Amino acid sequence: NAGVTQTPKFQVLKTGQSMTLQCAQDMNHEYMSWYRQDPGMGLRLIHYSVGAGITDQGEVPNGYNVSRSTTEDFPLRLLSAAPSQTSVYFCASSYSRSSSYNSPLHFGNGTRLTVT
Amino acid sequence: SQQGEEDPQALSIQEGENATMNCSYKTSINNLQWYRQNSGRGLVHLILIRSNEREKHSGRLRVTLDTSKKSSSLLITASRAADTASYFCATDAGGGGATNKLIFGTGTLLAVQP
Repeated sequence: NAGVTQTPKFQVLKTGQSMTLQCAQDMNHEYMSWYRQDPGMGLRLIHYSVGAGITDQGEVPNGYNVSRSTTEDFPLRLLSAAPSQTSVYFCASSYSRSSSYNSPLHFGNGTRLTVT
Repeated sequence: SQQGEEDPQALSIQEGENATMNCSYKTSINNLQWYRQNSGRGLVHLILIRSNEREKHSGRLRVTLDTSKKSSSLLITASRAADTASYFCATDAGGGGATNKLIFGTGTLLAVQP
């Protein structure tokens, strides 16, 4: 199993450009999510999905779009990049079963994005 | 808003010593998890403790949970240079359940000197 795979690993964008961060998992996990990590801020949840066709907003969703057409893939789209979106982006997935039990998250190795 | 806050922000110890990190959170939880992040890598799950548990062990890791104080601690015994990493606590949003919508703290940076 490859686990959670994120591409690209590094990206530099100019303000106003658009791009898609890719995330794929091969563990048949129902739950997938995107976090951004900034110095001193920890990880903040951007969007998440509890299954194919279902997405919802996290704590910091503005400027980002997601879709979940398959169980395996959960791309994150930046429609018009801004310098404030310079960050490290992590995709994570897990099983989603019991109503009272949180399965551990499996993380990718991140995409380091710089917006100039 | 941050649910979990770790303390201290940074910790430097010698190999063989024990390292203790604390986490405080704000709302009721179903469970609390600890993760490790090596430099330039994604987070790796270490241990999960449910809200009805008070202590849990996994190898050199010991986690305690005090729901009355809304706090948890992670103890790493007999630390090694390879334990050098950032450590994060994560909680659900209190009833998060099947969504796995975890909220992370700001982390403790642990440096273990050989």
